[in-house]
Parts: sequence; C-alpha cells; structure tokens
Amino acid sequence: NAGVMQNPRHLVRRRGQEARLRCSPMKGHSHVYWYRQLPEEGLKFMVYLQKENIIDESGMPKERFSAEFPKEGPSILRIQQVVRGDSAAYFCASSPIGGTNTGELFFGEGSRLTVL
Amino acid sequence: QKEVEQDPGPLSVPEGAIVSLNCTYSNSAFQYFMWYRQYSRKGPELLMYTYSSGNKEDGRFTAQVDKSSKYISLFIRDSQPSDSATYLCAMSTGGGNKLTFGTGTQLKVEL
Repeated sequence: NAGVMQNPRHLVRRRGQEARLRCSPMKGHSHVYWYRQLPEEGLKFMVYLQKENIIDESGMPKERFSAEFPKEGPSILRIQQVVRGDSAAYFCASSPIGGTNTGELFFGEGSRLTVL
Repeated sequence: QKEVEQDPGPLSVPEGAIVSLNCTYSNSAFQYFMWYRQYSRKGPELLMYTYSSGNKEDGRFTAQVDKSSKYISLFIRDSQPSDSATYLCAMSTGGGNKLTFGTGTQLKVEL
C-alpha cells in the first residue's frame, strides 16, 4: 500500500530554468495539497487541488508557479524561470476527502529543489 | 507577527524525561489543532488531532488546547531516543485541510 509518492526527490536547476515536481496521492485519495518548506520556516500552504480542479490557490505566488491535477496521472507543480529564492523542500500531501477538518493529511517525503 | 509562533529549539532532554512543546497563535478562528512529527529528510506525519479546547491522550502523548489563551501544548512522557525529531504544530479554521504550521521545534532525546 504505497504512500504519497513524490519525484524527483532532489532536483538541481540553474536560474531561469523550469522545475517540474510530481506527486501521486495515496491510493483512493483524490485531494492533493502542495506545501513549501523554506529553511528555518514552517510549511506554507500553496495550493489545494482535486482531479481537474484547483480548489484553493491562495498560497501560490502570482507569477511563475502553476499546479495541475489531471484526470489521469500525477499532480504537477511547475515553476518557471526559477530563482535562488525558490530553493526549498516542496511537500505534497493527500487526503481521502477534502473538508473533513481532521487534519489527516498524508505527506510525501518531499522534493528538494536547489537553484544554482 | 506570525499567525502561529513556535520556539524552534533545539531542545535536548535525557531519555525518560517529560517533554513539553508549545505553540501560541493569534487567529481566534482556528478550531482544529494538530501536532505533526517530522524526521530528518522525511515528510511530516500526524501525531495528534484535537478539535477546540480540551485534552487528548494517546499513549505517551498528550495534547492540550486552551483557546482562551490561544495556546496549545504537546507533552511526551517517558521520552525515547526514537522521539528525536522536529515537532510541528498546525491548525485550521475548518473547511478543508488548509493548515497553518508553526516553524517546528527540534527535539533531541539523549541516552
């Protein structure tokens, strides 16, 4: 019973390149959340998606960042024209039902982006 | 001012000690309170969940919420070296699993 799968685990990009982070939720889960963890800071909410829908993107930077969760395949967080400040750990989490308020988010092990 | 404040530590205790971890918050709309444990280079895992004020106990772990003081605590009894990790408090106003996290407290339990 696989948990939340994220890849790549580590990604190195030069300034101006694109980064694509992928997340496959736990089996049976249809809700995906992306969080970013900067050094010395807590996890910050970025976006909440269901299949083919963005439910809440209030934490996403207005430019360069986008997320999708297609009908088939993993959720993708895309960062265009990366800058050094994008260096962080990006965590994906999934839940069986959004809005249950239990806090039961199942996190992946994260994708660590380093921008040179 | 951050919505959720948490002492980053590090906190070092001997094996068997009682550990107290705390968070304060400013948003009175928070109703759901959680503690996550995060081992180095791993994703967070849910330890405890509490709705509104009160206490909740699970084995060696006790979570307390005092909404009047906007203060939550996690107590770990008989601490073990395997408890060494970063402990993150998290909370939400409801309506989904959009959580606001503290910065985490790094705990080390020494033999």
